[in-house]
Amino acid sequence: GDSVTQMEGPVTLSEEAFLTINCTYTATGYPSLFWYVQYPGEGLQLLLKATKADDKGSNKGFEATYRKETTSFHLEKGSVQVSDSAVYFCALTLLMDSNYQLIWGAGTKLIIKP
Amino acid sequence: NAGVTQTPKFQVLKTGQSMTLQCAQDMNHEYMSWYRQDPGMGLRLIHYSVGAGITDQGEVPNGYNVSRSTTEDFPLRLLSAAPSQTSVYFCASSYSAGSYNEQFFGPGTRLTVL
Repeated sequence: GDSVTQMEGPVTLSEEAFLTINCTYTATGYPSLFWYVQYPGEGLQLLLKATKADDKGSNKGFEATYRKETTSFHLEKGSVQVSDSAVYFCALTLLMDSNYQLIWGAGTKLIIKP
Repeated sequence: NAGVTQTPKFQVLKTGQSMTLQCAQDMNHEYMSWYRQDPGMGLRLIHYSVGAGITDQGEVPNGYNVSRSTTEDFPLRLLSAAPSQTSVYFCASSYSAGSYNEQFFGPGTRLTVL
């Protein structure tokens, strides 16, 4: 079935390190892809998105490219900060019963140490 | 704009009790949904609504009821609480159920069922 797989966490990095969080998906058709971020004690918020193959989403120094050939949408950031510590969720939208639904990955906890 | 608001923030119930989790949004969004978040499982869709008077089941609807009498409000009712319903509950809304629409999340309700 349709699914999203993320790398397991927690991922622990030092400040200014390079970040990659892997996300791969299985889906029929042409889904839109998203990264959401959840800061401690808060709800999720959209970080970036891409709606078609080869699109690159970017926000707050984070980037992800929609790779149809590898069914991936890996999240990257060149230099992380302590304030980036959060849980990151990869997701896709799929047409189900005439409505689009979000399919979520399990989330990856990121810990940045000063 | 307050965005998406949820009450209460925390709740403890005994097995068999019922309660209603409140959700409201002030963005005139058509689409609203309820998720539960459990460790290692990401978000799972409980119920959703594509407009006032229209609701449908998500992935894990058993034990929950919803109604949507107005565009703004989308309460979630637990009929007879069970320990398996211990979770963090998030309400979300979006402009419509389109494939690339951003979902806006409330701050969550942490529910414990004893």
